[in-house]
Amino acid sequence: EVQLVQSGAEVKKPGATVKISCKISGFTFTDNYRHWVQQAPGKGLEWVGLVDPEDGETMYAEKFQGRVTITADTSTDTAYMELRSLRSEDTAVYYCATGLRFPDYWGQGTLVTVSS
Amino acid sequence: IVMTQTPLSLSVTPGQPASISCKSSQSLLHSDGETYLSWYLQRPGQSPQLLIFEVSSRFSGVPERFSGSGSGTDFTLKISRVEAEDVGVYYCMQGIHLPRITFGGGTKVEIK
Repeated sequence: EVQLVQSGAEVKKPGATVKISCKISGFTFTDNYRHWVQQAPGKGLEWVGLVDPEDGETMYAEKFQGRVTITADTSTDTAYMELRSLRSEDTAVYYCATGLRFPDYWGQGTLVTVSS
Repeated sequence: IVMTQTPLSLSVTPGQPASISCKSSQSLLHSDGETYLSWYLQRPGQSPQLLIFEVSSRFSGVPERFSGSGSGTDFTLKISRVEAEDVGVYYCMQGIHLPRITFGGGTKVEIK
């Protein structure tokens, strides 16, 4: 069974950095990309970016470019998303997911709250 | 690419059909011959789950009452007979242009 288990909720101050993890099990880790998707409270889904675990190549949505870094550790089958210079608009649930051109399996989500 | 879903919300009697439209601002037909349009359901309080990929392929474990169709820029998700567990928000998503993956705004489905 494919499982994606994300790290717990975070509360950060404006300007801080958050790093979320996503542990994947149940299939060959390097098979698919690792995506990250943002969902602000009461809003829809917004794609953040992805990493190819096979070679570490990353792609980011223009909105997050320069503030986000997505990585994959093949030794622990874990993907990470680091978001810097946090602002109140970054308050959201962040989901990791696997897949190539479409996320198929999703994690349970991690709530990041940015508040002074 | 802008993904436009209609309607914004839908109230359906159990056992009746439902249909959601998704239009893209550009063709989703890739040069490899595939069309990268997928559909997701997000039930209340849950993570999104994949229903349909590449326009019409049902993901593992998805009931047959869900079907997808369309081509180019116009796509439709149909539920042949809505059940109580189908309540939630449905999203379409295009994956043709990496890194510009985009989702539709969502369609909320409720039971009458």
